Amino acid sequence: AQSVTQLDSHVSVSEGTPVLLRCNYSSSYSPSLFWYVQHPNKGLQLLLKYTSAATLVKGINGFEAEFKKSETSFHLTKPSAHMSDAAEYFCVVSKASGGYNKLIFGAGTRLAVHP
Amino acid sequence: SQTIHQWPATLVQPVGSPLSLECTVEGTSNPNLYWYRQAAGRGLQLLFYSVGIGQISSEVPQNLSASRPQDRQFILSSKKLLLSDSGFYLCAWSVRSGAGEAFFGQGTRLTVV
Repeated sequence: AQSVTQLDSHVSVSEGTPVLLRCNYSSSYSPSLFWYVQHPNKGLQLLLKYTSAATLVKGINGFEAEFKKSETSFHLTKPSAHMSDAAEYFCVVSKASGGYNKLIFGAGTRLAVHP
Repeated sequence: SQTIHQWPATLVQPVGSPLSLECTVEGTSNPNLYWYRQAAGRGLQLLFYSVGIGQISSEVPQNLSASRPQDRQFILSSKKLLLSDSGFYLCAWSVRSGAGEAFFGQGTRLTVV
């Protein structure tokens, strides 16, 4: 069975410092993995996706993630946090199931950015 | 480009009243369509998905129903709302095949009072 674990429910950083949001997955085969961001009372926006091509994936707004099969991890990073990065982030694994995409969401990590 | 519209953005309804939330997708054909609910402080729960007109699958038993009268239209309904139906409802679409990403609408904040 597939599952996703986001290791931190809350992360707090100072503006201009690096961001690391951790995600571990469990999958019986090569997964499709995604990171989404959600600002308050908004929908989810796709940040980046991994679909078995390059293991280092670059996304929007300066975010990137590295797929590490040996560690079953897909951590999200950004070199320098901006105030506008404050939001909730979801790590997601996808499985094609019965004609639809079954998305399995992590519990989310709330990122706070302080001046 | 593809866009997804969801309305209304916010809704306050009394217990026992009916509900209708609508979602439409533009710029794509034959999408998979989804309704999710996000309760306060919780992750996303898949409520319904649809792989075609009139084809609805439910993930969890509940007080809600869904319909897909047209290829790019997805409706979430209830005949009588409960307090526990309060939450943030999100519509999403994905391409028909594979395990690709889903694209989400802006959500509807439903408060049942």
